[in-house]
Amino acid sequence: GNSVTQMEGPVTLSEEAFLTINCTYTATGYPSLFWYVQYPGEGLQLLLKATKADDKGSNKGFEATYRKETTSFHLEKGSVQVSDSAVYFCALTTPNSGYALNFGKGTSLLVTP
Amino acid sequence: EAQVTQNPRYLITVTGKKLTVTCSQNMNHEYMSWYRQDPGLGLRQIYYSMNVEVTDKGDVPEGYKVSRKEKRNFPLILESPSPNQTSLYFCASSSTWGDHDEQYFGPGTRLTVT
Repeated sequence: GNSVTQMEGPVTLSEEAFLTINCTYTATGYPSLFWYVQYPGEGLQLLLKATKADDKGSNKGFEATYRKETTSFHLEKGSVQVSDSAVYFCALTTPNSGYALNFGKGTSLLVTP
Repeated sequence: EAQVTQNPRYLITVTGKKLTVTCSQNMNHEYMSWYRQDPGLGLRQIYYSMNVEVTDKGDVPEGYKVSRKEKRNFPLILESPSPNQTSLYFCASSSTWGDHDEQYFGPGTRLTVT
């Protein structure tokens, strides 16, 4: 079956620090990969996605590259801001899973001034 | 404004009292689904629907029912709620059931069953 593993949080960083949140996956078939973000008290929003190997998804200064050889989709940002404090979820879908999003457990990020 | 709405946002109920959480989207999306979010477990899919009158089980369907009589609505029904269904529930929709499509999430319904 499909599964997503992401690093445990919480992650605490100072403003302008470099961020990496690791994500690895196992999947039957050829998955599409996503990062969703959940701000406090809100639903999830799509942050970025990649649908084939070596694709790079990017949005709001965040980036992640689909690495088929290492089955990874690590999230990075060069300089975090306090407003980036949220929970980040790595997820995948495959056609044979009913297009359900298989989520990792989430990584909480706190950015301090 | 394109959105997914859920009602109620908060609900406290007692074991065995039937309840319905409504979900509605105004984007003419074909695909809708329900997830529950629990600490340490992330989000898990309960049920999904690829179109009107087409529904199927997700990873954790026990104790839940759904219906899709209209394209825009996808209610979640708990016929006899139990304390282990205390959770945060999210409805989501996407334009089709392709694996490339972004899913749009509602704001969540926090359910407590005592």
